[in-house]
Amino acid sequence: GAVVSQHPSRVICKSGTSVKIECRSLDFQATTMFWYRQFPKQSLMLMATSNEGSKATYEQGVEKDKFLINHASLTLSTLTVTSAHPEDSSFYICSAYTLLSEAFFGQGTRLTVV
Amino acid sequence: AQKVTQAQTEISVVEKEDVTLDCVYETRDTTYYLFWYKQPPSGELVFLIRRNSFDEQNEISGRYSWNFQKSTSSFNFTITASQVVDSAVYFCALLFGNEKLTFGTGTRLTIIP
Repeated sequence: GAVVSQHPSRVICKSGTSVKIECRSLDFQATTMFWYRQFPKQSLMLMATSNEGSKATYEQGVEKDKFLINHASLTLSTLTVTSAHPEDSSFYICSAYTLLSEAFFGQGTRLTVV
Repeated sequence: AQKVTQAQTEISVVEKEDVTLDCVYETRDTTYYLFWYKQPPSGELVFLIRRNSFDEQNEISGRYSWNFQKSTSSFNFTITASQVVDSAVYFCALLFGNEKLTFGTGTRLTIIP
């Protein structure tokens, strides 16, 4: 089946620094990718929709200047958490759809800001 | 508006028992997709099944089976002869068009050895 690869799987960073998370569709092209955030023992909350070649669409309440999304190619979307703070510590996960509307997810990135 | 309800927050069963995870959805659209995902402790989301709204056939895959009933807007998931490795959080999700997935709140399944 289709594979979505997300990197890194875990990252620890100091407060105030920026962290970049990559999401790649390995064997299919994805014009649209989605970024989710998941707090412990909670469901996935959509943060933004990443569109290849255009600006991302952010959900209400998500700071676009803090969570920078770049979708530079049909197989790569990146999420950069800028000036990270401890409250940004969370599990971030991306997804992409195939042409058959099968939604596959990356392995997720566990971000810890200290 | 789309909505997915997983009323069972946590379920515990003894190994080898059968268990059914409930999923009820709401949508005004006639064309949509339903998904089930497994999230083990490691965190990744494992795709289990996708079903489109026009296909009400039940599906069986090994110990897993799914019962889709449009009349009750339900898409329930049954694990037969459960195993400890089935312990995870299971999410049901709804997709309309090519829009974002709407997730249920998840059911934490614990299989007791």
